[in-house]
Amino acid sequence: EVQLVESGGGLVKPGGSLRLSCEASGFTFSNAWLNWVRRAPGKGLEWVGRIKSKTDGGTTDSAAPVKGRFSVSRDDSKKTLYLQMNSLKAEDTAVYYCTTSTFGGYYFDYWGQGTLVTVSS
Amino acid sequence: QLILTQSPSASASLGASVKLTCTLDSGHSIYAIAWHQQQAERGPRYLMKLNSDGSHTKGDGIPDRFSGSSSGAARHLNISSLQSEDEADYYCQTWDTEIVVFGGGTKLTVL
Repeated sequence: EVQLVESGGGLVKPGGSLRLSCEASGFTFSNAWLNWVRRAPGKGLEWVGRIKSKTDGGTTDSAAPVKGRFSVSRDDSKKTLYLQMNSLKAEDTAVYYCTTSTFGGYYFDYWGQGTLVTVSS
Repeated sequence: QLILTQSPSASASLGASVKLTCTLDSGHSIYAIAWHQQQAERGPRYLMKLNSDGSHTKGDGIPDRFSGSSSGAARHLNISSLQSEDEADYYCQTWDTEIVVFGGGTKLTVL
């Protein structure tokens, strides 16, 4: 059974930093492309960023609103995905979901339950 | 610019059928999409990948009541024999080499 478990969310002040983690199991982690998606209160889903598998280059891409502030990384030995969030703004308040393309592609076949990040003074 | 358009809301009666639509912008009308369901207070769930020719690949455990179809730039999610647990937000997703885009979502109410 595929499982994705996010952690690391919480309350942070504007301008602060936070690192989210996503522990995975039930599939070949090293082959997967991994993404972060968020949902702000009252809004829809928004893609945040992605990291490809190392065999596909291990490259990252991110959405315009977070480019330069957020970075995605992975540790295949720990089967864990990370999201480092810096210079946080109130508009980054959202539930953050880890999601994967277990086959190494562009659409998502499994999702986590999410972790809440609140940016407020 | 890669854009997906969805109606904000839809409703149908218990046991009935409903068709939700996601429309690609004209410059990307042949793109494939994926459908995802998000029930209240839960993480999203992958339903299917839907190609421009209507062929689709469903996720693990997705009932036969869920199917997909395509017509031009429109990608449809068809749900038959509606059940109360089908009440949820439904999102379409597409992609290009460097970006992923979601539609705004459709809130489905089962009456």
